[in-house]
Amino acid sequence: GAVVSQHPSWVICKSGTSVKIECRSLDFQATTMFWYRQFPKQSLMLMATSNEGSKATYEQGVEKDKFLINHASLTLSTLTVTSAHPEDSSFYICSAVLAGGVVHEQFFGPGTRLTVL
Amino acid sequence: GQQLNQSPQSMFIQEGEDVSMNCTSSSIFNTWLWYKQDPGEGPVLLIALYKAGELTSNGRLTAQFGITRKDSFLNISASIPSDVGIYFCAGQNTNAGKSTFGDGTTLTVKP
Repeated sequence: GAVVSQHPSWVICKSGTSVKIECRSLDFQATTMFWYRQFPKQSLMLMATSNEGSKATYEQGVEKDKFLINHASLTLSTLTVTSAHPEDSSFYICSAVLAGGVVHEQFFGPGTRLTVL
Repeated sequence: GQQLNQSPQSMFIQEGEDVSMNCTSSSIFNTWLWYKQDPGEGPVLLIALYKAGELTSNGRLTAQFGITRKDSFLNISASIPSDVGIYFCAGQNTNAGKSTFGDGTTLTVKP
C-alpha cells in the first residue's frame, strides 16, 4: 500500500514551453502533497506544499508563477513548469502524506527527470 | 532556515563491514527520519524516531534520536551490495509532514 506515482518519468522539452508533471497517490487519499527539486548529487529541496482545495504554499525563493501547483483532488497534484529554461532542468520528486495517518508519513513518488533544451 | 549537516558525505566500504553516519542540526527537531534513495528513484523511509534518546532498529539498520534533539545517527551492520545508495536524514517539527533534509551520505559497498 501507500504507492505514489509520477507521470511522466522523464521529459525533454524545448526552451519556452510548459511542462506538466502529475503526482498521484494510487491507493490512499492525501490532503497534503509536497514538491521537491533535486540536482545531481544534492539533497532534496522543498519547493512547495500542496493542499487539496487550497492554494499551494511556496518556499522562499520559489517563483509561484513559474511553478504552478494544482491539488484538485485527494489523489492528484500537478506541477506545471511554465516557460521552461535550461536552468529548470532537474529531478522533480513529489511526496504525499497519508490523510489521517501518522503525521510524519510522506510517501515519495519515483521522480520526474526534466531536461530543457 | 534550519539546516542539517550530514556526515560523512560518502563512504566506500567492503561487504560485511558496519557503517555509521550521522546528522546534526543547529536547532531541535521533534521527529528524525532516515531515508534511502536509489539512483533515479524517490526516497524510501527506513526508520522514524519520535522521542529524544529513542533507539530503533529495522533489520540490520539501527538509528538513534539524540538526547539534545539536535542530532541522530544511523548504523548499518554487515553491509551487503544492495545497501548501495544515498542515505538522507530529515527532521520535522510540524504535524503537516514538512521535512528538512540533510545533504546525504553516498554509500558504496565493494563485494
